Amino acid sequence: NAGVTQTPKFQVLKTGQSMTLQCAQDMNHNSMYWYRQDPGMGLRLIYYSASEGTTDKGEVPNGYNVSRLNKREFSLRLESAAPSQTSVYFCASNRLGEAGELFFGEGSRLTVL
Amino acid sequence: KQEVTQIPAALSVPEGENLVLNCSFTDSAIYNLQWFRQDPGKGLTSLLLIQSSQREQTSGRLNASLDKSSGRSTLYIAASQPGDSATYLCAVRPSGNQFYFGTGTSLTVIP
Repeated sequence: NAGVTQTPKFQVLKTGQSMTLQCAQDMNHNSMYWYRQDPGMGLRLIYYSASEGTTDKGEVPNGYNVSRLNKREFSLRLESAAPSQTSVYFCASNRLGEAGELFFGEGSRLTVL
Repeated sequence: KQEVTQIPAALSVPEGENLVLNCSFTDSAIYNLQWFRQDPGKGLTSLLLIQSSQREQTSGRLNASLDKSSGRSTLYIAASQPGDSATYLCAVRPSGNQFYFGTGTSLTVIP
């Protein structure tokens, strides 16, 4: 049981380049999330998808776009990367309801030069 | 907006000691609260989830309690081991799909 899988694990970009972070979960979860984690800032929500076909902005959506490709997959795209987007990105998922435990991927470390 | 605070930011204890990690939140109207562990360079691993109707949850040497009225949760670790060294985060889910995270407590268990 792989859980939540993210690719790539590491990426270095130059300012202005674009890239897509991929996330897939095999737990049949309805909801999926993208967070970024920065020292001293904690985890901040970028976008989430409550169910297939829907996406919503979180706390820090500027500079990002997302696609919920199907129930399993949720991708995060940086159209024109900036140094401020240097961070560790985490994908997470959970099922509906009060007992919906949140599960995380291993993270994608992105550096923008 | 829900604010989540974890104090202290760092804690060192000798092996074998029992310890308590604290998590406080500003809005008591929560759906659930979850405790996570994060090892350096890794993702977050779920430890315990407490639903709003529950007071505590236990898993092995871990016990988490929830007091919504006072806006507090504690994670109790019994008989600490060096392998428990990690950062522990709590996350509060007020409703819907938003989770609010504390910045964590970095725990070091000294052999």
